[in-house]
This record gives sequence, structure tokens and C-alpha cells, in this order.
Amino acid sequence: KQEVTQIPAALSVPEGENLVLNCSFTDSAIYNLQWFRQDPGKGLTSLLLIQSSQREQTSGRLNASLDKSSGRSTLYIAASQPGDSATYLCAALGTYKYIFGTGTRLKVLA
Amino acid sequence: KAGVTQTPRYLIKTRGQQVTLSCSPISGHRSVSWYQQTPGQGLQFLFEYFSETQRNKGNFPGRFSGRQFSNSRSEMNVSTLELGDSALYLCASSLLPGLNYGYTFGSGTRLTVV
Repeated sequence: KQEVTQIPAALSVPEGENLVLNCSFTDSAIYNLQWFRQDPGKGLTSLLLIQSSQREQTSGRLNASLDKSSGRSTLYIAASQPGDSATYLCAALGTYKYIFGTGTRLKVLA
Repeated sequence: KAGVTQTPRYLIKTRGQQVTLSCSPISGHRSVSWYQQTPGQGLQFLFEYFSETQRNKGNFPGRFSGRQFSNSRSEMNVSTLELGDSALYLCASSLLPGLNYGYTFGSGTRLTVV
């Protein structure tokens, strides 16, 4: 049974810091891994999708890596801004459904 | 390009009632999945539809059901509502089921059962 864990559960940093969010999964037989952002009371916004054959994806200040053999993915956020404050979720896509982590709640202080 | 549209955005229902939620996928997307999000359980898979057929179902009681229409729009229904059904219900669409296509999520319907 796939389990996805995110560390840390919450993070508070001053504006401008580079930060790393961690995601680990127990079953390496995943099709892809996706990082999402969720603002309070809102739906999910897709940030980066890493397919199983890929090692990383980049979009602007965001970079996500995937290491299937170790069951890990990291989301790197460069030069954090107050607007980055949100909950970040990683999700492993198996045969037909996402297994979501519990999220990292990020607060960037101005 | 319109995203995934879920209606209504908010609902308040009484215990014992039933409710129907609607999801319109991105144009051209044929696979629709539903998830329930609660503070205690996080995001959990409800079911997946493709070509008007339910392909997969999560571990939820039979009170939770859904369907997909020929235009790929989907509805989910919850009968005999319980307080524990209060949650954010998210719909996601994809070109095809699973594999490497990834899913796009809607903004959700927040259901409150009183």
C-alpha cells in the first residue's frame, strides 16, 4: 500500500530564503509525481509534474526532483516571497489514483 | 482555455438529505476523478470515470455514487448525508486515465452538513 509522507509539516521562513520541501513514498512503482499548491479553502493548483522517466522539472523559481529508487521527491523554491505562502502537497500517481501526502504548510514572512 | 469547473462552490445541507455535485472537465478531457478532502483524513480518492463508465472506486460507502455523461461532464451524489460528510470535494480531469497525463483539479465544492 502506497504511503506518502511530507516533511516538515509546517515551515516559517523570512522572505528571500531558498527552501526545500521533502516528499517520500513507499512504493517506487509510480507513474508520475505531481506537486500542488493549495491556498486556504481553495482547490489544488498544479505546480510541477514529473513523469516516471524524468529526474526533474523546473518552472520559474520552482524545481522538483524525483528519485524513484529511494522513494523521494523534493521541491526547491528559490528566493521565497510572501505570495508563496500556502500548503504544498505532493501526490504519487499509481495505477489509477493519486495518493496524497499530508502537505507542508509554508509561511513566508515579509 | 477554461479549467475544471465545479458547481456549486458552497453547499449547506441537513443530515439525512442528499446532494448532487457537478463537474465540467477541461474541453477534450475524458477522464474525471473525484476526491474528498477533510482535515482529519486529507485527500482521499472517491472514484474515476472514463467514457461514461466507472473504472475505479475508493473505499467509501455506497451512499457515495457518481456518473459521467457523454460530454464527459460528471456528477457525484451523496445520499443520507452524515455530519462526517462535511468536506471539500474536488474534481480532477485528464485527457486519458492514469499513466503520464497528470490531472488538473477544480476549485472544489465545500459541503457543510448540519
